[in-house]
Formats: sequence, C-alpha cells, structure tokens
Amino acid sequence: DQQVKQNSPSLSVQEGRISILNCDYTNSMFDYFLWYKKYPAEGPTFLISISSIKDKNEDGRFTVFLNKSAKHLSLHIVPSQPGDSAVYFCAASAELGGTSYGKLTFGQGTILTVHP
Amino acid sequence: GAVVSQHPSRVICKSGTSVKIECRSLDFQATTMFWYRQFPKQSLMLMATSNEGSKATYEQGVEKDKFLINHASLTLSTLTVTSAHPEDSSFYICSASGQAGAYQPQHFGDGTRLSIL
Repeated sequence: DQQVKQNSPSLSVQEGRISILNCDYTNSMFDYFLWYKKYPAEGPTFLISISSIKDKNEDGRFTVFLNKSAKHLSLHIVPSQPGDSAVYFCAASAELGGTSYGKLTFGQGTILTVHP
Repeated sequence: GAVVSQHPSRVICKSGTSVKIECRSLDFQATTMFWYRQFPKQSLMLMATSNEGSKATYEQGVEKDKFLINHASLTLSTLTVTSAHPEDSSFYICSASGQAGAYQPQHFGDGTRLSIL
C-alpha cells in the first residue's frame, strides 16, 4: 500500500522555466509534508516543508502547495537551474498521531533534469 | 546546523560478517533517530526508530535480531547488520530531527552502501 505517490518518474525542464513536481497521498492522518532533494550515493537534503494548517509555504525559489481536500501537494521551483537536477522525494508524517511522530513515509521520487 | 554524519560510507564484506554503521548528530542532541533502507530505484523505507536509552521500535517485517540498534547517547545511534548475507546488500541511511517537538524536518546522513559478497 503506497501511501505517498509520485506518479511522474521523471521531469525535464529548460533552464529558467518553472519545474512542478507532484505528490499524492492517501493517509488522512498525515499532517506534515516535506520535500527532499537527493543525489546518487548521498542522503536526502531537506528543501521545504508544510504543515496541514497551511496551503502554501515559500522559501526562495521553492514553493510548496498543499491541497488537503485532494490529498495533493506540489513543489514549484522557479526559475529552474541546472544545479537543481536531482531526484526529488516528497515525504509525509502524522505528527499528531502519537506512535507515528517523526516517522516519514516517502514517495518513489521524481528525477528532475534541468537543461541549460 | 542540524548536521548528521554517517560512517562508513561504503562497506564491502564477506557473507556471515557483522557490520556496524554509526550515525552521529554533530551539532545537536537527538533523542530519536531513524534508520531507513533504500533498494535500487526505490524509495526510502523506514526500518526502525532509535530511542536514546531505550529499545528501538521496529517497523513491521524488519527483523530486530538481524538489525541491532543501539542509541547509547544523545548524539550516537548504531545499526549492526548481524551475520550479513547478500540479500542485506542495500543503501542504509539514518536521520534525526535537529529540534525537539513536532513539525520539525528530519536531516539525513549521507548513507552507507553495504555490499555483501
């Protein structure tokens, strides 16, 4: 049972344009959502997060949107840069769930390639 | 801040060997650390939650006698893969939250590539 899904295995974008990465979830107990960037043979690097009381969070070129009714979140990167090329994982946790505190469930990842 | 260091980065050893992986929080104290495993071209799967001073909590399907976790201090958790076999070959990653409380992001080490011959 894949509770967090990233349905696009890959995305290719031109430098300077917007990259939009999507993520869907099924567990209604999830109330904290995160995006990580990962290079091969390295651990994930935290990018941005959002709690369920918000529908948007922005940090520089990165903006995360949360649509709770659709159980959908997206990461927007604008403008995209070649250095953004990596695998992007969305993750979710149920912070108020007691036993699930801090435990992350990851999506499968989306490979982003930004062309110069 | 919130730097997590993992060592070693790569291990190659013979079947039957036990391998210890260390996870350290360098600039903060972590009462809870997490251990994940990633198979090729797959997502990260949570193996266990490491609690300082108490027993680890394992996810369903993870053998606690196979994957021994010790969280002896607020800055160190270790994962020992006992009597490793080729099917244990994988990428193991630890994480910790840099701050106490809910809604804090996990910060990850760089992982350990374990290859069992």
